[in-house]
Amino acid sequence: DTAVSQTPKYLVTQMGNDKSIKCEQNLGHDTMYWYKQDSKKFLKIMFSYNNKELIINETVPNRFSPKSPDKAHLNLHINSLELGDSAVYFCASSRRAGEGEQYFGPGTRLTVT
Amino acid sequence: KNEVEQSPQNLTAQEGEFITINCSYSVGISALHWLQQHPGGGIVSLFMLSSGKKKHGRLIATINIQEKHSSLHITASHPRDSAVYICAAAYSGAGSYQLTFGKGTKLSVIP
Repeated sequence: DTAVSQTPKYLVTQMGNDKSIKCEQNLGHDTMYWYKQDSKKFLKIMFSYNNKELIINETVPNRFSPKSPDKAHLNLHINSLELGDSAVYFCASSRRAGEGEQYFGPGTRLTVT
Repeated sequence: KNEVEQSPQNLTAQEGEFITINCSYSVGISALHWLQQHPGGGIVSLFMLSSGKKKHGRLIATINIQEKHSSLHITASHPRDSAVYICAAAYSGAGSYQLTFGKGTKLSVIP
């Protein structure tokens, strides 16, 4: 069984569209994260979220919003997509925020044309 | 703001060599992570440590809190160790969580 899964694996869309990436973890973890890896392979944390608290990296545009229907899911919604949003997006989870190792999803490669 | 520096950026080794990758950070942290990113893109957490040393198979991670420095060692390197190794400095406190990544070290192990 996959511990952290993401869908879709690839997403190609046009500028201005709104899209979502889904993430699910079956580890019973309390905290989930979204990361962006740019074309230079540099990773940046976008959000960390548990069922009580959303911590946002201040550099993330408000076009990006995480939505968590329950503890096992953290979806990433992106409005008005821009060319610069093209990247690989990784979801991850850990036991609690800042505690324990993180388990990563396989990544979603987003291409905005 | 924490800054995380890794060295070297690129490393080529012969199979069997002992490898060291270094990571330094600028401010106090709650933990340091070592990650491995495979050529296919998948990311695996290798270690999370806040003090001392951890060992898993041929991999050893150490951290010196006073010097704000961590090292990842690979003994008896093998071509399957070829990957990008990334360190990340974590700070968590009341209502706050920050994770700053280094730029990665690309390791190539030649048979």
